[in-house]
Amino acid sequence: AQSVAQPEDQVNVAEGNPLTVKCTYSVSGNPYLFWYVQYPNRGLQFLLKYITGDNLVKGSYGFEAEFNKSQTSFHLKKPSALVSDSALYFCAVRDDNQGGKLIFGQGTELSVKP
Amino acid sequence: GAVVSQHPSRVICKSGTSVKIECRSLDFQATTMFWYRQFPKKSLMLMATSNEGSKATYEQGVEKDKFLINHASLTLSTLTVTSAHPEDSSFYICSASTGPTYEQYFGPGTRLTVT
Repeated sequence: AQSVAQPEDQVNVAEGNPLTVKCTYSVSGNPYLFWYVQYPNRGLQFLLKYITGDNLVKGSYGFEAEFNKSQTSFHLKKPSALVSDSALYFCAVRDDNQGGKLIFGQGTELSVKP
Repeated sequence: GAVVSQHPSRVICKSGTSVKIECRSLDFQATTMFWYRQFPKKSLMLMATSNEGSKATYEQGVEKDKFLINHASLTLSTLTVTSAHPEDSSFYICSASTGPTYEQYFGPGTRLTVT
């Protein structure tokens, strides 16, 4: 079965510093990986996805993620964090063998302090 | 493009009553819609997948008679929580896509509180 894991419940970063939110995956076949962000009491906003192609994927709001097949990871990164990046981040894998449903990681709360 | 709306954004209902939540794709035809439930600061749990014109497919452990899903048109799916109880209080989020293996676009969510 497809799964993703986000090993950190919370990540704390100082504004201006680089940030990394970790995600590892377990899939059979080609992985279709996604990152979403959720602000309080809001739905999910799409950040970026990896389907195929370059391992470094650039997304919205200056975020990027690196697909690493050997380490089965898809960590989310940003070179310089903003206070407004503080939110809940979800990694997800799409399972096309189960009707395309998204399987989400546990979520990581990112806190960026001034 | 690819905007999904939900109505209402917040609803409070009394225990034992039913409440309907709408999910609409505003600028595209959504062949497939997904309904998720989210507890505070927790991950999203898929409840069911609905394809336009056919019965919804429910995830294991989700009561289909309690959470009625209708996907009657290519732009509208509804989730009805029947005989609601306080434990049904949660944040319900829908997503829509042009096909089951295509990108999902998420609605803003509906906060249900059952008193």
